[in-house]
Amino acid sequence: RKEVEQDPGPFNVPEGATVAFNCTYSNSASQSFFWYRQDCRKEPKLLMSVYSSGNEDGRFTAQLNRASQYISLLIRDSKLSDSATYLCVVKGGSYIPTFGRGTSLIVHP
Amino acid sequence: DGGITQSPKYLFRKEGQNVTLSCEQNLNHDAMYWYRQDPGQGLRLIYYSQIVNDFQKGDIAEGYSVSREKKESFPLTVTSAQKNPTAFYLCASSTNSGNQPQHFGDGTRLSIL
Repeated sequence: RKEVEQDPGPFNVPEGATVAFNCTYSNSASQSFFWYRQDCRKEPKLLMSVYSSGNEDGRFTAQLNRASQYISLLIRDSKLSDSATYLCVVKGGSYIPTFGRGTSLIVHP
Repeated sequence: DGGITQSPKYLFRKEGQNVTLSCEQNLNHDAMYWYRQDPGQGLRLIYYSQIVNDFQKGDIAEGYSVSREKKESFPLTVTSAQKNPTAFYLCASSTNSGNQPQHFGDGTRLSIL
């Protein structure tokens, strides 16, 4: 089993839709969780950290479910500019991040 | 502005040649990392360093070498032993605190001539 797994997609949604991605992790000792966004041929950029109680940043909501070992990212009112690959990142006790392979999102008019 | 600078943006390697990719950060981060990304794939860890003068192999270190003589700098050498070096190389840095994210440079694209 891979340490961090994501559905590669692509998720193809119309503008204004709500879309959610999950990311599962295998190491129950994982301590820190993040979502990054990566545009085609660019570097990953931090979208948001994921806190135990869940957190929101504008149209984006991240949640952590430790019991089932997954994190989620919800995007409301999707914009064309949200089209990108979303990377899930998990840090364990060694503090070395493990990246998922990413979920591709395509928002169309 | 604080950040991570990678150079060059594009690099071409001839057969049998070693090439060095530069990564400099002014974020005062202790930890630095090198990743390789192939088209349509995720990031794979090549080497990382959590403190000056110390570094560790990642998942795909064969054919690569690094040094960490200064806190700000973590150059990566792609040696001739790396037979398939064509990829997008990303450098990142972070504090050594577990709950802090990494910050990335804008990458170097390496191709074989």
